[in-house]
Amino acid sequence: AQSVTQLDSQVPVFEEAPVELRCNYSSSVSVYLFWYVQYPNQGLQLLLKYLSGSTLVKGINGFEAEFNKSQTSFHLRKPSVHISDTAEYFCAVSDLRDSNYQLIWGAGTKLIIKP
Amino acid sequence: DTAVSQTPKYLVTQMGNDKSIKCEQNLGHDTMYWYKQDSKKFLKIMFSYNNKELIINETVPNRFSPKSPDKAHLNLHINSLELGDSAVYFCASRRLDEQYFGPGTRLTVT
Repeated sequence: AQSVTQLDSQVPVFEEAPVELRCNYSSSVSVYLFWYVQYPNQGLQLLLKYLSGSTLVKGINGFEAEFNKSQTSFHLRKPSVHISDTAEYFCAVSDLRDSNYQLIWGAGTKLIIKP
Repeated sequence: DTAVSQTPKYLVTQMGNDKSIKCEQNLGHDTMYWYKQDSKKFLKIMFSYNNKELIINETVPNRFSPKSPDKAHLNLHINSLELGDSAVYFCASRRLDEQYFGPGTRLTVT
């Protein structure tokens, strides 16, 4: 069964510094990959997704992620973070064979921006 | 013009009570979900409906019963509430590969 591992439960980083949030998935079958963001006391919203094509995907708010099939990873990056990026970030995977697009979720990474 | 709305936003109740959470989406999507998010932010799918038909029913106690009167609404009824039911419950709808989440309902059972 598919699983998603977010290696860091919390990532503290100084404002304007770069950040990388790590995500690995278990299966080598073809998948769709997603990053969702949850701001404090809000629901989740889609940050970016990889379906096919270019392995470097750009999303909202200056975030990008790179799909690496050989390492089964989909790490999220931002070159310069702002205080407004403080949130919980979730990586999720969907099996291409699943017509219901059921998402398998990681445990989340809390991004803490230090002033 | 809220896309996915939930009511109530907060729900505080005592053990043993029965409560309902309502969800409505105005996006025209066919598929809707209920998720439970625990205190550690772990997100777990509970149910999924497609055009009022149940398609995903994860291991959830029978005390939880979803109801979809039409494809724009998916309500969650919980019987005999327990302390462990305290969590944030999210409704979501889906178009193709993207899910759209409601703001959540924070349920506190005392």
